[in-house]
Amino acid sequence: SQQGEEDPQALSIQEGENATMNCSYKTSINNLQWYRQNSGRGLVHLILIRSNEREKHSGRLRVTLDTSKKSSSLLITASRAADTASYFCATDQTGANNLFFGTGTRLTVIP
Amino acid sequence: DAGVIQSPRHEVTEMGQEVTLRCKPISGHDYLFWYRQTMMRGLELLIYFNNNVPIDDSGMPEDRFSAKMPNASFSTLKIQPSEPRDSAVYFCASREAGGSYNEQFFGPGTRLTVL
Repeated sequence: SQQGEEDPQALSIQEGENATMNCSYKTSINNLQWYRQNSGRGLVHLILIRSNEREKHSGRLRVTLDTSKKSSSLLITASRAADTASYFCATDQTGANNLFFGTGTRLTVIP
Repeated sequence: DAGVIQSPRHEVTEMGQEVTLRCKPISGHDYLFWYRQTMMRGLELLIYFNNNVPIDDSGMPEDRFSAKMPNASFSTLKIQPSEPRDSAVYFCASREAGGSYNEQFFGPGTRLTVL
């Protein structure tokens, strides 16, 4: 499968704590993207990191990419109850026009 | 722009009936994708179009599924006949050609229940 694998599958933390999700993939990529899905909604793009980048920040989000290990992590700092959602990584693979989505991490932030 | 529009939002039908899901991509987007999401299989790409032409339909589960894109602003995904195992949330997404690094914009989805 060309899909990414994410871990953990589910994560439950207290409000104010940091949440870290990991994504592993198998092929060469142009970039890696993270999406968020609230219950009953479509996916929403959060952040993109290019294959030649190692770290990127956007607000409370921090993404890292290690192409040698074919892995990425998404860190959400100072989590809020509103961050409760599923988070998916998606790889833009060399030679492909579509994205390959991971299996997702279900994050629950307890107020 | 209103974003990607899908209809209906919910569909309940009986086994054997024909189901048609509709999608209007964001104006100016050249690519359109149909996905299916279930708890068991996660998010699966079914088919995608570029400039109204189907490019890759290898994810379409079987001949009961068909998709069309008659023009740049409309696409349908049809299931005939439907079966209970088709119950899922179906998403449509679109993106620009050469756009922001292949970022896709998703619609709200159609929740299909086949009884």
